[in-house]
Amino acid sequence: DQQVKQNSPSLSVQEGRISILNCDYTNSMFDYFLWYKKYPAEGPTFLISISSIKDKNEDGRFTVFLNKSAKHLSLHIVPSQPGDSAVYFCAASAGSGGSNYKLTFGKGTLLTVNP
Amino acid sequence: GAVVSQHPSWVICKSGTSVKIECRSLDFQATTMFWYRQFPKQSLMLMATSNEGSKATYEQGVEKDKFLINHASLTLSTLTVTSAHPEDSSFYICSARAWESMNTEAFFGQGTRLTVV
Repeated sequence: DQQVKQNSPSLSVQEGRISILNCDYTNSMFDYFLWYKKYPAEGPTFLISISSIKDKNEDGRFTVFLNKSAKHLSLHIVPSQPGDSAVYFCAASAGSGGSNYKLTFGKGTLLTVNP
Repeated sequence: GAVVSQHPSWVICKSGTSVKIECRSLDFQATTMFWYRQFPKQSLMLMATSNEGSKATYEQGVEKDKFLINHASLTLSTLTVTSAHPEDSSFYICSARAWESMNTEAFFGQGTRLTVV
């Protein structure tokens, strides 16, 4: 049973436009959510996170929105740049206050930003 | 951000041999490190949680005798794939979190591409 779902395996957008990556989760115990960016043959790089006590977190071109009632979060990238082209993973954890937390990942969405 | 170094970045080995992968936290102490495996076009699957000075906690379905994990210091965890077979070929990634950090962000190594021939 997949607890974190990224239903779009790929997304293609034009440079300068907004990229919206979606993520759904089923485990109501998740209280911390993260987005990672990954290039081929490299480890994931942390992008942005959000705690369940918030519904929005912004960092430069990246904004994450959380809708707890819908168990849905999204990552907005605006404006999109060709260098943003990568696989984006949504991840979630439960009991974020502890040190032995685990991340559950979605399958990722391949974002392609066309010049 | 914090740096996690993983070595080697790629390795090719013969079937039946063992391969050791190292994961180091370079500028922070990590009481907990995590080992993941990623198949092509699939998610990162947690294999085990490595705790400094104690036994690793393995996820269901992961053979602890095949994937040996050692976390001997606060900056180093190793994953040894024993008696490797072609089906063990995969991308292995470690991550680490500083014990004193209240931020639950985890930092990842660059990954190791293992190919068993």
